[in-house]
Amino acid sequence: QKEVEQNSGPLSVPEGAIASLNCTYSDRGSQSFFWYRQYSGKSPELIMSIYSNGDKEDGRFTAQLNKASQYVSLLIRDSQPSDSATYLCAVRRGASGSARQLTFGSGTQLTVLP
Amino acid sequence: NAGVTQTPKFQVLKTGQSMTLQCAQDMNHNSMYWYRQDPGMGLRLIYYSASEGTTDKGEVPNGYNVSRLNKREFSLRLESAAPSQTSVYFCAGTGTVTHEQYFGPGTRLTVT
Repeated sequence: QKEVEQNSGPLSVPEGAIASLNCTYSDRGSQSFFWYRQYSGKSPELIMSIYSNGDKEDGRFTAQLNKASQYVSLLIRDSQPSDSATYLCAVRRGASGSARQLTFGSGTQLTVLP
Repeated sequence: NAGVTQTPKFQVLKTGQSMTLQCAQDMNHNSMYWYRQDPGMGLRLIYYSASEGTTDKGEVPNGYNVSRLNKREFSLRLESAAPSQTSVYFCAGTGTVTHEQYFGPGTRLTVT
């Protein structure tokens, strides 16, 4: 079992719809969770971080965390063609030493259709 | 404030050649990382440096060496390049307050 799993997609949604991206992780002791967006040929860009159960909203993005189910998701409201990218889920176990390392999922490719 | 910078952006090497990838950050990050990204494999950690003066192996360290020259700079060296090292290499840094990790623009390396 991979430590961080994402559906590879591709996921296609029409412009204006809600895109839902999901991620599960295997280490129950994980403490910090991140979503990165990566455009083709570019580096990963941090868009959301979440540390406690519940929802965290930032503009059109909402991150949701459920530690009991070991599940984190990213919702993109009013999707735009410019949101078309690969979205990477990343998980960190702790805040010191090797636990500070991020473990990445393989990414979900999102296409927003005009 | 340039964030995390990497040089070069592109490089082509022949098998057996050596080279050093440079990374520098001006975000006062204590921790720095080198990743490689290959299609279908995601981001894999090569080496990291938790603080100035320390380095540790990640998931795929074979064939690489690193140097944490000072707090700002973290270099990755390929002593004898192999075609299997063809990849995109990213450097990243993490701050001590938010623990959020920020990436450089990447180096696209081809080994023929």
